Amino acid sequence: AQKITQTQPGMFVQEKEAVTLDCTYDTSDQSYGLFWYKQPSSGEMIFLIYQGSYDEQNATEGRYSLNFQKARKSANLVISASQLGDSAMYFCAMRVLSSGSARQLTFGSGTQLTVLP
Amino acid sequence: GAGVSQSPRYKVAKRGQDVALRCDPISGHVSLFWYQQALGQGPEFLTYFQNEAQLDKSGLPSDRFFAERPEGSVSTLKIQRTQQEDSAVYLCASNPSSGWGEETQYFGPGTRLLVL
Repeated sequence: AQKITQTQPGMFVQEKEAVTLDCTYDTSDQSYGLFWYKQPSSGEMIFLIYQGSYDEQNATEGRYSLNFQKARKSANLVISASQLGDSAMYFCAMRVLSSGSARQLTFGSGTQLTVLP
Repeated sequence: GAGVSQSPRYKVAKRGQDVALRCDPISGHVSLFWYQQALGQGPEFLTYFQNEAQLDKSGLPSDRFFAERPEGSVSTLKIQRTQQEDSAVYLCASNPSSGWGEETQYFGPGTRLLVL
């Protein structure tokens, strides 16, 4: 079974500064994918970034980057130059990619990010 | 094109009533997932369809929950004899393939169900 742990229920960051949201995961599988989603108060889950377990380079998407440390089983999200619109709930998720495994995502409990003006 | 849509966006039901929640996935998406999200928690898996076939329903919490996708596009999640513990946001997600590898799931806005 897979498990995602997000230890920061809430985080605050000053506008224009960078912030790191922590995520650790647990799986015995060697092939897996890690995802970060943003959920604003409107409720929709917005895909931000993906990292595959065999990807040698950390994923980046605009202001988002994923600090992937495989040996530590961590996949932290870094948001650079925070904007007020970044205030939302952030979820880390994973799924195993090996044949025969379940297709669904396993989510963490989330981190509520508040960007201060 | 349009994203995943869900209806209704909000539903208030009296305990014991039956409810039906609808999901319209992105056109052409093969895989469809339902998740349940309790207040302040991450989403939890309910069930998975590949086209019209329900391949995994291991997350359905009881036999009061039933899902279908008869023509491989629109899906309906039905909850019979609703209980207060069913109050949650029900999220639908789809992705384009049935294969393996990177499969980003695209989510709808959810249906917020409140059972009184």
